Amino acid sequence: QKEVEQNSGPLSVPEGAIASLNCTYSDRVSQSFFWYRQYSGKSPELIMSIYSNGDKEDGRFTAQLNKASQYVSLLIRDSQPSDSATYLCAVNRGSASKIIFGSGTRLSIRP
Amino acid sequence: KAGVTQTPRYLIKTRGQQVTLSCSPISGHRSVSWYQQTPGQGLQFLFEYFSETQRNKGNFPGRFSGRQFSNSRSEMNVSTLELGDSALYLCASSAGTLAGGSSYNEQFFGPGTRLTVL
Repeated sequence: QKEVEQNSGPLSVPEGAIASLNCTYSDRVSQSFFWYRQYSGKSPELIMSIYSNGDKEDGRFTAQLNKASQYVSLLIRDSQPSDSATYLCAVNRGSASKIIFGSGTRLSIRP
Repeated sequence: KAGVTQTPRYLIKTRGQQVTLSCSPISGHRSVSWYQQTPGQGLQFLFEYFSETQRNKGNFPGRFSGRQFSNSRSEMNVSTLELGDSALYLCASSAGTLAGGSSYNEQFFGPGTRLTVL
């Protein structure tokens, strides 16, 4: 079992719809959860961090965390073609522990 | 605040050579992590340095090594290059000082060094 699992996609979503990206993790003591966006040929860019159960909203992005189910998700509202990228889920136990990345989900927003 | 910088951005080497890559973290950040990214393997963790000490290490052969200087700048070295070492090498910095869930553990990536081994 991989430590951080994501569906590789591609996930195709029409422009203006909600894109839902999911991630599960295996380490129950994980405490920090991150979503990165990576455009082709570029480096990952941090877009959301979440540390406690529930929802965290930032503009069109909402991160959701459920530690009991070991599940974290990212919702993108009003999807735009510029949201087409690979989204990486990352999990960390806390300071002095390495961050574990999932393999990423490719998202494609179709006009 | 300036972001993470990496030099060089592109590098072409031949098999058997060695290479040194450099990373300057965000000012005030003390943790630097290195990753290798290839289309087939995704983002793979190499090692992490914090206050000049290697704190975590991934599953890479000893040909891959690194170090961190007192100003938090870091270098990674790959000796005896192989064709399979062709990849995008990324470094990421974080404050990395607090336990538990905290924004201090957020990692910010540099633009990467694209290494091609011929």
